[in-house]
Parts: sequence; structure tokens; C-alpha cells
Amino acid sequence: TQLLEQSPQFLSIQEGENLTVYCNSSSVFSSLQWYRQEPGEGPVLLVTVVTGGEVKKLKRLTFQFGDARKDSSLHITAAQPGDTGLYLCAIGVNTGTASKLTFGTGTRLQVTL
Amino acid sequence: EPEVTQTPSHQVTQMGQEVILRCVPISNHLYFYWYRQILGQKVEFLVSFYNNEISEKSEIFDDQFSVERPDGSNFTLKIRSTKLEDSAMYFCASRGDRGGNQPQHFGDGTRLSIL
Repeated sequence: TQLLEQSPQFLSIQEGENLTVYCNSSSVFSSLQWYRQEPGEGPVLLVTVVTGGEVKKLKRLTFQFGDARKDSSLHITAAQPGDTGLYLCAIGVNTGTASKLTFGTGTRLQVTL
Repeated sequence: EPEVTQTPSHQVTQMGQEVILRCVPISNHLYFYWYRQILGQKVEFLVSFYNNEISEKSEIFDDQFSVERPDGSNFTLKIRSTKLEDSAMYFCASRGDRGGNQPQHFGDGTRLSIL
């Protein structure tokens, strides 16, 4: 079973600060997805990264896939209170006829005014 | 944008009772999933479903669990005799095709509380 470790586990910052959260595995994976989950809601897909070294930007969010495809990072520039939530990385595991998602342990981000 | 809907949003049930959680996946999707998230823990895979049969199930998905797609739209998760440790958020997800890079779309979950 592939394990995805995310760090930090918790992060509390003030509005306007920058932050980076990490997702690491001992295994190589073909692609990785980042989700954000807000209280009382399901995970919402932010991005999928596929190619080693790939960088994707989504407004103030920058996602990077490690060259060796064993790790990924999410950088948020000038964080806002609306960025508060649980950030999850996940990999699709193709077994049987349907792939399943294996989620990381999550980083809970709180952005205060 | 199409979305996955789940009902009820919160279910409170006595231990030992049966519970059915309902999901309406996105209409043209082919793959359906249930995940569980115990409070404070990570999201865990329970079961995947394709072509009217279970594709894969985790060790959590024991004989007390079953899934069904009775009418081509609803996708249900049944727990026959609930236990205290079944208390969790249960998320349904659906996906359009088999590609591992294709995203799964999640519902907002059902909070199951076992008393």
C-alpha cells in the first residue's frame, strides 16, 4: 500500500503570508491530485499533475510535481481567509477495472485576518 | 456544473440498526465509489463499482456493507448492523472513464452518527 505523508499537519498563518505544503511518498506514482476540503463538504479537485517536474498554477496556488514523481508541493502566495481548509493530496491506483484514490494525511490550513 | 448529490446530510442511528446512504452520481459517469472519513482521520477508500458489480473493496468493507445501483441513477451504501466505529463521514464519488488521471467528483457527504 502506497502511503502519502503530508506536512505540516497543521498550519495557522495570517492573511498575506506565503506558505508551502508538501506531499511525499517512498513510491513513484504516475500522477497526483490535490484536493481542498472545507468543513461539511466533500473534497474538491484543485489540480492533477502528471509529468515529473511539472508546475501548474491556479491563481495564487502553484503546484509542483517532483522530478522523480515521488513528491509534490503546493505553494500559496498571499494567503487569504478563503484559503482556509484541509488540503489533501491523492494518487489514483489502477487496480481491477476501476482506479481508487489513496489520500494523504492532509494539511489543515487556517488563515486569519 | 453537474455534481454528485448525497442524502441524507446527517443520519443518526442506534447501534445494530441498518442504515442506507444514498448518492446520485453525475449522470454520464460510469465508475462509482464510496469513501469514509472518520473524524480527524484521512479519507479512506471503501469500494468501487462498475458495470453493476463491485470492482474492488477495502478490508473495511466487510460482510456488513453492501452497495447497489438499483435504478441506473441512485447508488446506495447499506450497513446492515451498525457499530459505534461506523460513525464517520461517508463520501460518494463518481468518474467518467477508466483513465487513472481522470478526476473523481465527490459529493458533500453523509455524516453518520451511531449511538
